Amino acid sequence: EAGVVQSPRYKIIEKKQPVAFWCNPISGHNTLYWYLQNLGQGPELLIRYENEEAVDDSQLPKDRFSAERLKGVDSTLKIQPAELGDSAVYLCASSISGANVLTFGAGSRLTVL
Amino acid sequence: GENVEQHPSTLSVQEGDSAVIKCTYSDSASNYFPWYKQELGKGPQLIIDIRSNVGEKKDQRIAVTLNKTAKHFSLHITETQPEDSAVYFCAASGMLGNQFYFGTGTSLTVIP
Repeated sequence: EAGVVQSPRYKIIEKKQPVAFWCNPISGHNTLYWYLQNLGQGPELLIRYENEEAVDDSQLPKDRFSAERLKGVDSTLKIQPAELGDSAVYLCASSISGANVLTFGAGSRLTVL
Repeated sequence: GENVEQHPSTLSVQEGDSAVIKCTYSDSASNYFPWYKQELGKGPQLIIDIRSNVGEKKDQRIAVTLNKTAKHFSLHITETQPEDSAVYFCAASGMLGNQFYFGTGTSLTVIP
């Protein structure tokens, strides 16, 4: 089993540029999460999907962040335009709905210059 | 919403000694408490978890205890080894099973 796959692992961009992160969850996991992890902090939820529906996006800064999960499998998180404060690790995780157990990907580290 | 606090933020122990990390939570409805280990450049990995109907759970050198009345839970690592060095996160999850609240992490260093 491949686990949760994220790409790219690292991304360096200049401020005001767009960036996109991709996540492929574990096969059969219908719940998908995007978390933000700032340096020295725990993960903070950005958005949670149940299949293709975003059921919790209350913490997603919708002025610049967007996400989609077409067909209820892979997901993309986009930032446009990026700001210096967006530098962080973006973690994707998946689970079977209601099963509690989260599996994380390795994360995508974003540096905004 | 739930608030999870974790202490200490950093912990150094000699190889072979025990390490204890403590977390408190605020929402009495939380009923699932996982612990994650995050090594440098990797995502968090589940190492042990406990549900609210259990007071203690052990897996080899790792154990977790839960005090529902006091709303705190702890991770205990015995006979620490250098490969235990990592950042450890506690978390709490509620009845719906799909909302997780994480602590701020503990950076554990095991000194050979």
